[in-house]
Order: sequence, then structure tokens, then C-alpha cells
Amino acid sequence: EDQVTQSPEALRLQEGESSSLNCSYTVSGLRGLFWYRQDPGKGPEFLFTLYSAGEEKEKERLKATLTKKESFLHITAPKPEDSATYLCAVQAVRAYGDYKLSFGAGTTVTVRA
Amino acid sequence: SAVISQKPSRDICQRGTSLTIQCQVDSQVTMMFWYRQQPGQSLTLIATANQGSEATYESGFVIDKFPISRPNLTFSTLTVSNMSPEDSSIYLCSVLRQGKSEAFFGQGTRLTVV
Repeated sequence: EDQVTQSPEALRLQEGESSSLNCSYTVSGLRGLFWYRQDPGKGPEFLFTLYSAGEEKEKERLKATLTKKESFLHITAPKPEDSATYLCAVQAVRAYGDYKLSFGAGTTVTVRA
Repeated sequence: SAVISQKPSRDICQRGTSLTIQCQVDSQVTMMFWYRQQPGQSLTLIATANQGSEATYESGFVIDKFPISRPNLTFSTLTVSNMSPEDSSIYLCSVLRQGKSEAFFGQGTRLTVV
């Protein structure tokens, strides 16, 4: 069974204070690793897909990286609007038509001005 | 991305009743999914909605409790049947387009059972 563990559960940052979120995963064969952002009362918003170890993706102040066992989401010089819950999910290589996502519990980031 | 409309956005229901949640997508998609997010927890897949055939349910979820329909490529419904307070959750519709790996989500339906 796929397992996704995110740490820390919560992260409180000062505006401009860079930090990283961790996503450790166990999957039989990785098809893709996904990062989402979720604001309170809303559905998850897609951020990145990573497919293979060594891959990196960037979007504004966010940068996602991938190794064979974990992924990091780096937040550089965060602003209050970066406050949200960040979710990590994995998609394993399975039979055709099976594109199930397994999610971690998320990291709730609060950025204070 | 896909524009996903999910209705209702929230509801308060009496125990023992049923609620049907609708998910409408702005264009044809290959796959549609229904997830549950219980308070303070992450997302759990309920089932994959298959067009024109029975949904594929994950372990712990059964058709009698969560009947799902998908009559065409852009629309699906999830019914939460014979509700109890334990069914209080956010229910989310998700879609996947042909040839794409990333799934997109609706805004969710916040269900409270009293």
C-alpha cells in the first residue's frame, strides 16, 4: 500500500523567512508525485508534478524537488498570501485506468507579516 | 486546467436522510473521482466514477452507502445515503484529462449531519 508522510504538521514563519516542507513516500513504482495547495473552505489547487529523481519545478516563491524517497517544497521569502495547507500526493504505476492519488496529511503553513 | 462546478457547496442534513452532490466539468474529461476529507484530515479516495458503468470503489466504501452515477463525460453525482454524524466531511470531485497526469479538484461540498 502506498504511504505518504508529510512533515512538519504545521509551520509558522515570519514574512521573508525561507523554509522547506518534507514529503516522504513509499510506493511500489512511482508514476508521479504531486504538490497541491489548499486554502480553507476550498478544494486543492494543483502546483507541481514531479516524475523522476533529480527533477525540480519552480513557480514564484515555490520550488519542488524529488529524490527516490522524498520530495521537498521550498518556500523562498514567503509572504502572508503563501499561508495555506500544502498537500503531497503520489500516483503509483498500476494497471491501465488506475490513476488513484494517495495523499499525505498536509503541512499547514502560516506566514506572519 | 478544468473548470469544475460542484453543488451544493455546503449543506446541513438530518441523520437518516440522503444527499446527492453534483459535479459538472466544462469540457470532456477522461476520469472523474470522488474524495472525502474528514475534519482535520487529508483526502481519501471513495471511488472512480466510470462513464456508463458501475463506479470502482476503494476499500471501505460500498455502493449502497455511496452510489455514484456518471451518465456522460462531463457530469457525475455522488449520493451519501442514510447519513449519520460520522459522514460529516468535505466531499470533493476530481477530474483527469486524457494524456494529462495532474488531477484538478472542485471546490468541495461541506456536509454536516445532525
